[in-house]
Formats: sequence, C-alpha cells, structure tokens
Amino acid sequence: ETGVTQSPTHLIKTRGQQVTLRCSSQSGHNTVSWYQQALGQGPQFIFQYYREEENGRGNFPPRFSGLQFPNYSSELNVNALELDDSALYLCASSYAGNTLHEAFFGQGTRLTVV
Amino acid sequence: GESVGLHLPTLSVQEGDNSIINCAYSNSASDYFIWYKQESGKGPQFIIDIRSNMDKRQGQRVTVLLNKTVKHLSLQIAATQPGDSAVYFCAEKTSGSRLTFGEGTQLTVNP
Repeated sequence: ETGVTQSPTHLIKTRGQQVTLRCSSQSGHNTVSWYQQALGQGPQFIFQYYREEENGRGNFPPRFSGLQFPNYSSELNVNALELDDSALYLCASSYAGNTLHEAFFGQGTRLTVV
Repeated sequence: GESVGLHLPTLSVQEGDNSIINCAYSNSASDYFIWYKQESGKGPQFIIDIRSNMDKRQGQRVTVLLNKTVKHLSLQIAATQPGDSAVYFCAEKTSGSRLTFGEGTQLTVNP
C-alpha cells in the first residue's frame, strides 16, 4: 500500500455531467499529480499541484480542472463529460524536496461515461 | 513530441525463468527513469528507478539497465514468479516531476 487514497473507486456518469474525484496524498508528500489512463494505454499526465497551485499541465482541455488543499489533498474536476473521458484516473503524490521525485500512485477511480 | 515507448507489447515466460522487458525513450534530456508494475484494477506500483548518471541499478530480484547511447532502458526480473504477471511500464521524468509513460508490456508467467 502506498498511502495514497482515491475516492470513489468507481462511478458512472452521463455525457454532459460534471464529476469530482478526490485524492489524499501520502503522509509527508506535498505534490499531487493527476493522470488519465485509457484502457490498454499508459497513464497520461493531466496536471500537477504544488502549494495549492497548478504546477504544470498536460494536453488536456480547460474543462479538466483541479484543486489542492492546505492538507495537500486534491480534487480533479471534469465538466461537460464526454464519452472519451471514460478511463482510470490516477492520483500520484510525491515530495518536491526529493530530487528523484519518486511518485506513488493510488488505486485510481474508474470513470465510465455513458 | 517526446515519448517513451516499448519494444514488445506482450511477454510470456515460464515460472523460474528470467524476464527482460525493454523500453526506448526519445528525450535525451531526461534524467530519471522509473519502472512501474500495474496489476489489473490497481494503480501503478513503483518497482525501481535509475538516474541518468547510472548504467545499472539492482533491487530485490530486479535490475534496471540504462543505455544512454541508444536511449534504451530494460527491466530484468530474476526467477520470475506467477505474482509477477502484470503490465509493466517504463516512465521518464521530463519537466518538473511530470512522468511520461510508455504503452506497457503485458508479462504473463506460466506455471
């Protein structure tokens, strides 16, 4: 177990709806990154949060947004859901002071958009 | 754009054999690489990492080799066990702590 927890584990949404996914980082970690993993693919970087601000973003549209809280936990929000948003959403936490920046992943949230 | 890819999408080995999983990367500026194991329905699990100033690093039953000349990374698993069956990803640290993943290799261990 990595100590990174995500909720919910599974959910089903309808196209056009909005969804919020949550992540609690591992104790001592101050950086949270979100990844989208489509079936049969490697994880794709969405964005990263450090000190409650976005610190790098991948090739995802603005309807993907996030928050980081003072306790370093984080949320991923997706608006106007599309069918292609169906994927496993992974949260990874790390400590920015570690030059290797080893990242530990949670179990993921399986989102299905119908 | 820069990417990390894998040579083989699937690998099947007999229990007790050694496994070698390969990975090619294209960003010569990358300075840190990680191998992850992902079992069905779970998040990626850290296996071993290596910095670009190293050629080899060993862990428990696993060894990572880095060849910067040809931009190649490999993961060697000794005495492969059924519990090693999973998808293996190499990942490359690019800007900041952003990781770029390859597509993965499905390792199947036959008893």
